Amino acid sequence: DAGVIQSPRHEVTEMGQEVTLRCKPISGHDYLFWYRQTMMRGLELLIYFNNNVPIDDSGMPEDRFSAKMPNASFSTLKIQPSEPRDSAVYFCASSPTSGRFFFGPGTRLTVL
Amino acid sequence: KQEVTQIPAALSVPEGENLVLNCSFTDSAIYNLQWFRQDPGKGLTSLLLIQSSQREQTSGRLNASLDKSSGRSTLYIAASQPGDSATYLCAVVDAGGTSYGKLTFGQGTILTVHP
Repeated sequence: DAGVIQSPRHEVTEMGQEVTLRCKPISGHDYLFWYRQTMMRGLELLIYFNNNVPIDDSGMPEDRFSAKMPNASFSTLKIQPSEPRDSAVYFCASSPTSGRFFFGPGTRLTVL
Repeated sequence: KQEVTQIPAALSVPEGENLVLNCSFTDSAIYNLQWFRQDPGKGLTSLLLIQSSQREQTSGRLNASLDKSSGRSTLYIAASQPGDSATYLCAVVDAGGTSYGKLTFGQGTILTVHP
């Protein structure tokens, strides 16, 4: 298996633009997670899905953030409009029930 | 709210030393605990997973223990090597409710092993 795949790996955009991050989880994993990592706040859970259904989105910072999982093999995290304080590394992770978490390589987002 | 603390924040040791990284958590009602490794600019790699009913897990030179009642876990690295240099993160999954499946991370221990 190729592991969790994220795209793009790097994204540089200007304030106000829409940003879409993409994730392909490992096949057969029931859970998918979106995390954000910054120096100041460490790793923070944004939202997670179980069997494609959003379970907990309490970590989504504002209405500017939205996430979807239309099927078991694809998820998106969208920021619209983006702001400089959204600059961070965004990780997608997947996990089987009660199992290990597998993280993708991350998307480094810079909002100018 | 679960809080995870890791001590020390940074550690520098000569090659060959055995070392211990510490993790503590405030709510002992956990489902499992995982140790991860993160290399600079990379994603996280799961090293060991300990279920709440287990006391320890071993993988090669790594051994992780769990004392759920006291809210503590340790990661023991034997015969450290320069390639072990990375940030080590501890994370727990709380038991029950909508917390199930959600990892709460510590801030990590930055390990440097010098030749």
